[in-house]
Amino acid sequence: SQQGEEDPQALSIQEGENATMNCSYKTSINNLQWYRQNSGRGLVHLILIRSNEREKHSGRLRVTLDTSKKSSSLLITASRAADTASYFCATGPAGGTSYGKLTFGQGTILTVHP
Amino acid sequence: DAGVIQSPRHEVTEMGQEVTLRCKPISGHDYLFWYRQTMMRGLELLIYFNNNVPIDDSGMPEDRFSAKMPNASFSTLKIQPSEPRDSAVYFCASTPGGNTEAFFGQGTRLTVV
Repeated sequence: SQQGEEDPQALSIQEGENATMNCSYKTSINNLQWYRQNSGRGLVHLILIRSNEREKHSGRLRVTLDTSKKSSSLLITASRAADTASYFCATGPAGGTSYGKLTFGQGTILTVHP
Repeated sequence: DAGVIQSPRHEVTEMGQEVTLRCKPISGHDYLFWYRQTMMRGLELLIYFNNNVPIDDSGMPEDRFSAKMPNASFSTLKIQPSEPRDSAVYFCASTPGGNTEAFFGQGTRLTVV
């Protein structure tokens, strides 16, 4: 079963608007990562947030992490048509025999209309 | 570095045939992952290796699937015999260490007819 679950499954917005995607997970994590996938291509890493961090920024991206609720959110500000893609969260376990295992959620399909 | 390299990019085969997918990870990366992506099941982790040793193969769907990593620069995923339900995009990814950023290949689109 998937460790992370994204919400919503699909999001459609106008250029210039903000896009927020959420991810929930089930077990203790070392970190949570967000990836982007353009149609027919491999996934590209966007940002990593560690379990002891609450918020992280990278350009127009803002990620928050709430370990008490086992959830994270990805905010893309001032969206552009080029941001149209699928976005996935991925979790790395806190330790144990599964150390290093990277498990992905189902993804959110973002469409930004020009 | 050229990144993670997968071959072939596309594979069409008949049911019952053996299929071998190949992956060259980024040099120096200790972890290698094989994922399968379908519309119905999303991105599934099939197996991952650390220093060429399989760590977790619980995602391998059945005995028809096998994966090897004979050295640090090469891995294969084999399906024998292949079935139409194996049709998917198979991704290979590598990371420099545990719980770090993963670098993905472009994937192999497999169609079994």
